[in-house]
Amino acid sequence: GENVEQHPSTLSVQEGDSAVIKCTYSDSASNYFPWYKQELGKRPQLIIDIRSNVGEKKDQRIAVTLNKTAKHFSLHITETQPEDSAVYFCGGSGNTPLVFGKGTRLSVIA
Amino acid sequence: GAGVSQSPSNKVTEKGKDVELRCDPISGHTALYWYRQSLGQGLEFLIYFQGNSAPDKSGLPSDRFSAERTGGSVSTLTIQRTQQEDSAVYLCASSVNRDPGNSPLHFGNGTRLTVT
Repeated sequence: GENVEQHPSTLSVQEGDSAVIKCTYSDSASNYFPWYKQELGKRPQLIIDIRSNVGEKKDQRIAVTLNKTAKHFSLHITETQPEDSAVYFCGGSGNTPLVFGKGTRLSVIA
Repeated sequence: GAGVSQSPSNKVTEKGKDVELRCDPISGHTALYWYRQSLGQGLEFLIYFQGNSAPDKSGLPSDRFSAERTGGSVSTLTIQRTQQEDSAVYLCASSVNRDPGNSPLHFGNGTRLTVT
C-alpha cells in the first residue's frame, strides 16, 4: 500500500516568514494529495489539495507543489501568522485508502 | 448541517475489557474511515468502508480490533481485551463518494480512549 513520509516533524518560524513542509510518497498510482490542519484539541480540517494532473495550486497564502517524477509534494505557507500554528498532515491516495504522514508541528513566533 | 458524530467523546476502561466506539457519518456519505491518533503522533489508518464493498482492513494493528458498518451508515469500532498501548484518540471520517480526490474527508471530534 501507500506510504507517506513527512518532514520536518517540528518547525518554528518567525511571524511573517515562510514555512515549507515536505512529503514523499511510495505508490506511483497515487493521484490525490490533500493537506489537513489540526489545531490543538480539534479535528483535522482540509486546507488545500492537489491532483496529479497539475504541478502547483495556490490559495491565498497557501500553495502546494507536486513533483510526480520524484514522488514528492510540498506545502508552502507565506507571511505566516500566529493562527497558522498547528499540526499539518499530508496525505496520499489513489487505488488505496487515504493515508497520512506523521505530521509537522508548526509554531509561528510573534 | 450535522457533521460526523462520534461517541463517546471520552472512554476510560480497565486493561483487558472490551470497548465499542461509535461513528455516525454525514448523511449520504458512502465512504467511512477510522484512524488512530496516539498522543502527539500522526493519523494512523485503521479501516475503510465504501458502500456495500468489503472493507479494507489492512490498517488494523491486531485481531483484537474489528469494525462493522451497518446499513451503509453507522459504524462501530470494537477493541477486545484492551491494552495500555491502545490508549489514543480514535477518529472517524466520511466522504460523499469513494474517491477522496473528489470529496474531502470530514472528520469527527474523535473518541479519547484511556486504558488503565
